[in-house]
Amino acid sequence: GAGVSQSPSNKVTEKGKDVELRCDPISGHTALYWYRQSLGQGLEFLIYFQGNSAPDKSGLPSDRFSAERTGGSVSTLTIQRTQQEDSAVYLCASSFANGRADTQYFGPGTRLTVL
Amino acid sequence: SQQGEEDPQALSIQEGENATMNCSYKTSINNLQWYRQNSGRGLVHLILIRSNEREKHSGRLRVTLDTSKKSSSLLITASRAADTASYFCATDYSNFGNEKLTFGTGTRLTIIP
Repeated sequence: GAGVSQSPSNKVTEKGKDVELRCDPISGHTALYWYRQSLGQGLEFLIYFQGNSAPDKSGLPSDRFSAERTGGSVSTLTIQRTQQEDSAVYLCASSFANGRADTQYFGPGTRLTVL
Repeated sequence: SQQGEEDPQALSIQEGENATMNCSYKTSINNLQWYRQNSGRGLVHLILIRSNEREKHSGRLRVTLDTSKKSSSLLITASRAADTASYFCATDYSNFGNEKLTFGTGTRLTIIP
């Protein structure tokens, strides 16, 4: 079946503008994760959804960042008043996550550039 | 925050040789996973090893886990040019399992044809 998809693949925006990044998880996956990867770095956890609720938002770097998930499927990560330090690749992953260890499947990411 | 640390940061070997990468972490884990990343984009899952397992194999990959030393290793045998990529270890130490992964900074592997 189809994998995790993300859109847009690339986004260039001006400092101060808001952006929305979208993630379509694998059908049937209850858990959804957002990570951020800055140039040459590892992945930084942002937020985790189980269904439509977010038990763990601890990785969101500031209140300019928010995310929601509707219908237990699509998720949107919103960054308000973007700053240059927000430039990174934003990766989404999904898994079955039935309270046991399971593989997280990653999308191709959205490369965000804030000018 | 806890973070896995891969060692070495970069590794270059001749095609056909074996490549070994190591990962160390700081606290008890539920499982440890290895991922590959090409060209700085999507990650591909390679292998998951649970905390009660010591070794797993998948094709040319062998992963070991030593929970007493809080370390893991990834061995790629008979390397190929297509193995050139960045390799990350990721640990799951959440209370309920599979909530979030903590990634290391990765090992950049280059296979020289």
